[in-house]
Amino acid sequence: AQSVAQPEDQVNVAEGNPLTVKCTYSVSGNPYLFWYVQYPNRGLQFLLKYITGDNLVKGSYGFEAEFNKSQTSFHLKKPSALVSDSALYFCAVRDGDNFNKFYFGSGTKLNVKP
Amino acid sequence: DTAVSQTPKYLVTQMGNDKSIKCEQNLGHDTMYWYKQDSKKFLKIMFSYNNKELIINETVPNRFSPKSPDKAHLNLHINSLELGDSAVYFCASSLRQGGETQYFGPGTRLLVL
Repeated sequence: AQSVAQPEDQVNVAEGNPLTVKCTYSVSGNPYLFWYVQYPNRGLQFLLKYITGDNLVKGSYGFEAEFNKSQTSFHLKKPSALVSDSALYFCAVRDGDNFNKFYFGSGTKLNVKP
Repeated sequence: DTAVSQTPKYLVTQMGNDKSIKCEQNLGHDTMYWYKQDSKKFLKIMFSYNNKELIINETVPNRFSPKSPDKAHLNLHINSLELGDSAVYFCASSLRQGGETQYFGPGTRLLVL
């Protein structure tokens, strides 16, 4: 079965500190992985994706994610957090059998304190 | 310029009513989706259309019926609304099917009383 797990409901970090939001996945075949961000009362916005190639993917707003095949993880990172990064972050994976389906994690609320 | 728009933004209605949510994208994308986000923010795909053809139909009650009059529009009609239908419904689109970045609308907040 295909699935995505975000083990932390909430991550708290001080502004200027590095942040990591965790994601692990289970999928058949080669994974297509995504990170999206949702601000309050808004739709999801694409941050970055991994399809193939370099394990370190760079995305919008200074975010990056590291694909680790052996650990089946795709953690989202940023070297220096901003208060404006506070939002809900979703990891998603494309179904390995049905390329039209996507599974989203349960979301991680990132709180960046000044 | 709104890429993916949904109407209405808010919908408050009584149990048993029928309601529709409309979605339009001006990105020239071939594929559109409906997702349901529950009160715990869990996001689940409901339907997907590619060039007006239904390609994903998850285990959604028959009361939910999507319609795509053209590839820029995907509407969602819900019959006999139930309390459990209360959620935020997101429309999204992607350039083509499979592995593509999705662009989400702002959501429609449905509250069934």
